[in-house]
Amino acid sequence: GENVEQHPSTLSVQEGDSAVIKCTYSDSASNYFPWYKQELGKRPQLIIDIRSNVGEKKDQRIAVTLNKTAKHFSLHITETQPEDSAVYFCAAPSYQKVTFGTGTKLQVIP
Amino acid sequence: GAVVSQHPSRVICKSGTSVKIECRSLDFQATTMFWYRQFPKKSLMLMATSNEGSKATYEQGVEKDKFLINHASLTLSTLTVTSAHPEDSSFYICSASGQLNTEAFFGQGTRLTVV
Repeated sequence: GENVEQHPSTLSVQEGDSAVIKCTYSDSASNYFPWYKQELGKRPQLIIDIRSNVGEKKDQRIAVTLNKTAKHFSLHITETQPEDSAVYFCAAPSYQKVTFGTGTKLQVIP
Repeated sequence: GAVVSQHPSRVICKSGTSVKIECRSLDFQATTMFWYRQFPKKSLMLMATSNEGSKATYEQGVEKDKFLINHASLTLSTLTVTSAHPEDSSFYICSASGQLNTEAFFGQGTRLTVV
């Protein structure tokens, strides 16, 4: 089945700095790569996603890049704010199920 | 976006009893739903894939006789934790999507505490 690895597991940044979270996947047939944000005690929610026909997608302060050859994709958050503090998960749907990365706890220090 | 409703949000039960958790897709039909277990500060561990009208597909290491999944309609899947023990205490969360390679919508999650 699909194997998704996510790094780092924890990340602390100063407010205003950028944060980058990286994921690798194993199934070359995967073609949809979402990122979810989970705030403490709440359900995960989609923040951005990318399909394999593009290499980068931006939505205000959030961007995702995809390298299909290397089978990795990254989440970039610029001008971080305290409300960005949460756990972020990447995912790679494959084999009729969704495999999540291990999560990254992002802490934005005011 | 679509809405997935999970009930109950919290439940406390005694050891040896069974607990049923419901997951409903409110505004779309979900042929497939997924059940996850999340330990504190850990990732979402897929337990099983719930398929409407057929048997669930369980992940390796998940006891199918302990975690009973029923997907009787296109909008409802249930997870029953049978003969619950304290080690079953956890956060259980379901998700559903209209199609595989689209956004997954999560239920609110259920905090199960077995005493």
